Amino acid sequence: DTEVTQTPKHLVMGMTNKKSLKCEQHMGHRAMYWYKQKAKKPPELMFVYSYEKLSINESVPSRFSPECPNSSLLNLHLHALQPEDSALYLCASSLTPGGGERVVEAFFGQGTRLTVV
Amino acid sequence: SQQGEEDPQALSIQEGENATMNCSYKTSINNLQWYRQNSGRGLVHLILIRSNEREKHSGRLRVTLDTSKKSSSLLITASRAADTASYFCAHYSGGGADGLTFGKGTHLIIQP
Repeated sequence: DTEVTQTPKHLVMGMTNKKSLKCEQHMGHRAMYWYKQKAKKPPELMFVYSYEKLSINESVPSRFSPECPNSSLLNLHLHALQPEDSALYLCASSLTPGGGERVVEAFFGQGTRLTVV
Repeated sequence: SQQGEEDPQALSIQEGENATMNCSYKTSINNLQWYRQNSGRGLVHLILIRSNEREKHSGRLRVTLDTSKKSSSLLITASRAADTASYFCAHYSGGGADGLTFGKGTHLIIQP
């Protein structure tokens, strides 16, 4: 199994809603990531989990709350989002965390297309 | 995180022609990777080149790296309609656990 699975594929939510995005991998990867991608722009890093611990939070607003319940699962809890948060949210994983001397390929899910109304 | 530049931002060529995309980055790197993205969906890893390598081949892909100029290029030979996609260079920046920093990307269109 070489897949990263994200659910749901599409999500429309109101600004007062609470929703969660889910990401799952069964490749034994110990690093998982959330990226945000706006139309015609590159992905931007939001969070890095390394061995189930949050290691990087790229100054993301608190209305985005990540959670890593175990080494295979990554969630992104959403609350009180704004219309400008509408984007494609991508989850990725890698065997070990990237950075430093490590040569690490990332595997991406197909993304959740989020629309905030 | 600092994004690199990619040029061209959009490229349209005829099927069978070669496509060259360039990428520049701003920090020291240990390796540079190229990813492909179809129609705003997930990214797929294409090729990785280490900082001590100058050129690498994989099938119809050829990537070069010039660390003195902080630049890389991706060449796709004998392009096919199915190569239509966005292509991004990416690298890890930090010394600790880090995520990828992506270049701005090139949108490649292969005309049949």
